[in-house]
Amino acid sequence: TQLLEQSPQFLSIQEGENLTVYCNSSSVFSSLQWYRQEPGEGPVLLVTVVTGGEVKKLKRLTFQFGDARKDSSLHITAAQPGDTGLYLCAGEFNDMRFGAGTRLTVKP
Amino acid sequence: DAGVIQSPRHEVTEMGQEVTLRCKPISGHNSLFWYRQTMMRGLELLIYFNNNVPIDDSGMPEDRFSAKMPNASFSTLKIQPSEPRDSAVYFCASSSRGADIQYFGAGTRLSVL
Repeated sequence: TQLLEQSPQFLSIQEGENLTVYCNSSSVFSSLQWYRQEPGEGPVLLVTVVTGGEVKKLKRLTFQFGDARKDSSLHITAAQPGDTGLYLCAGEFNDMRFGAGTRLTVKP
Repeated sequence: DAGVIQSPRHEVTEMGQEVTLRCKPISGHNSLFWYRQTMMRGLELLIYFNNNVPIDDSGMPEDRFSAKMPNASFSTLKIQPSEPRDSAVYFCASSSRGADIQYFGAGTRLSVL
């Protein structure tokens, strides 16, 4: 079983739609990171959240860290085809552990 | 900065052969990580080094896997003998502050036939 559960596993939407993906765990994180991975490339860090309840915005992407620091969400507004990719969350325990990811496809 | 450099990008080999994957971390980074990514299991940490010293190799699947970091600018991950179930994309990442903010290479796609 994954230490970090991500949902949904797959998501296919039309350009312009909004979406939210989730990262959940029964454990408390000292910090949590979101990465995006495009085909044939390694994951690239998008954001790090540290404080419970923290909200960070990166253009059309909004990241929220749960109050108890056990969960996080990523909301994308007006999705574009360039947002297509695998979105991974990673939490720091003794070392960095990754979720299995949400594979997002945005159709033009 | 060239980023984390991995070689080869693709490797196809036959079962039983030795495979060596290479990684050059970002200059100045003191932590290096090896991951394996598959559709079934996602991204798994295999081993990581701090200041060239292996800190945690609990993710290494079995004795067929070994990793070395002879200096701050180079690391290898070796599989001997390789098996079809080792087929995956292997990523190397480096960091300047332990497990915080890792920068990934483009990966090596390994196919063991």
